[in-house]
Amino acid sequence: DIQMTQSPSSLSASVGDRVSITCRASQNIGSYLNWYQQKPGKAPRLLIYAASSLRNGVPSRFSGSGSVTDFTLTISNLQPEDFGIYYCQQSYSTPYTFGQGTRLEIK
Amino acid sequence: EVQLLESGGGLVQPGGSLRLSCAASGFTFNNYAMNWVRQAPGKGLEWVSGIRSNGGTTFYAASVKGRFTISRDNSKNTLYLQMNSLRVEDTALYYCARTQGSGYWYFDYWGQGSLVTVSS
Repeated sequence: DIQMTQSPSSLSASVGDRVSITCRASQNIGSYLNWYQQKPGKAPRLLIYAASSLRNGVPSRFSGSGSVTDFTLTISNLQPEDFGIYYCQQSYSTPYTFGQGTRLEIK
Repeated sequence: EVQLLESGGGLVQPGGSLRLSCAASGFTFNNYAMNWVRQAPGKGLEWVSGIRSNGGTTFYAASVKGRFTISRDNSKNTLYLQMNSLRVEDTALYYCARTQGSGYWYFDYWGQGSLVTVSS
């Protein structure tokens, strides 16, 4: 199975900040990497697919980059509603493994 | 509007069985692969199982293979997960999720989840 490792596991930032979350795959997954946001008591929400494609309706302050094994989710101009847990997921091969999550807190 | 509504969760004893359902609406169900993803209390996301649009091919996580069976009834726009030989560690909120994409796959819509509790 492909292992996905996110860092950091948690972070705290202020409104207006730029934050980055990294995700590393245990093997080459090309660009088969997705990012989701989950808020308490809610289902996950797709943000980015194919490493860097922004889902329709997702604010442009979210962006994704990377390929092969190393990926980054960047949130520019952090907003209060961006709190939550962020997960990466590989869709290169089953099982479609997720990272362990990064908890983002707004100061 | 795409909607996925899970049902069938509940409390079951270890070794017992349960069948989850996911009723889909707002899209052409038989055009999409579907998945089950679970989340144990306070934990992260774990992909459990997936099924191709025609139901002909299924995939499972090692943790559930041989115990869980995914299926679908395209005439009823419904996805199922039959869970047998349940264990305490299967306790989780179970989400159904639609697969989108051609070439690059991702889960674009999720239900609100159905809670399964395995306890004596």
